[in-house]
Amino acid sequence: ETGVTQTPRHLVMGMTNKKSLKCEQHLGHNAMYWYKQSAKKPLELMFVYNFKEQTENNSVPSRFSPECPNSSHLFLHLHTLQPEDSALYLCASSRGTSGDAYEQYFGPGTRLTVT
Amino acid sequence: GQNIDQPTEMTATEGAIVQINCTYQTSGFNGLFWYQQHAGEAPTFLSYNVLDGLEEKGRFSSFLSRSKGYSYLLLKELQMKDSASYLCAVRDSNYQLIWGAGTKLIIKP
Repeated sequence: ETGVTQTPRHLVMGMTNKKSLKCEQHLGHNAMYWYKQSAKKPLELMFVYNFKEQTENNSVPSRFSPECPNSSHLFLHLHTLQPEDSALYLCASSRGTSGDAYEQYFGPGTRLTVT
Repeated sequence: GQNIDQPTEMTATEGAIVQINCTYQTSGFNGLFWYQQHAGEAPTFLSYNVLDGLEEKGRFSSFLSRSKGYSYLLLKELQMKDSASYLCAVRDSNYQLIWGAGTKLIIKP
């Protein structure tokens, strides 16, 4: 495996379900990110982890709960979601969060539909 | 507030040249990125500008003017595979990326 992988690629869940999204990066990066992408809207940064420590939480509702057990893995636990949470959830990683270019590498995303 | 503006959609002809503009108003500036995103796929990094001027990379070039809060992405010799969304993102004083909504580029034969 190379780059950034995400599972599942597609997820349909009811509002009372609990599910988790998984992200794994094979690039040796130290920072990982969760983004929400809705149609025709800018990418919304949700969470940032740097060296396993959460450094950003952009006022994300508590029904989204991130977990970063190590620098290579990132999870997003979902519970009691709303239909407006339906979107593409993208994971990304980068060498760091400040300093030089540090472009982000994205995974293919999980297309989430909340029914 | 922080804002990134780019056109919603553009159409161009195969073999031609197209320029996608991006204007920004952010709290500080620590670089500007361009990403390409094909439908249903992950965004992929295209270019990075932190100093004024033109950065050329094959058929793609990116220009930055910090005093004007302006950048453009120039695509030459357009190919059908260039049909995609192009995302402009600016890193602010906190090194947080602020994203534009993207420009959908449609290439016609």
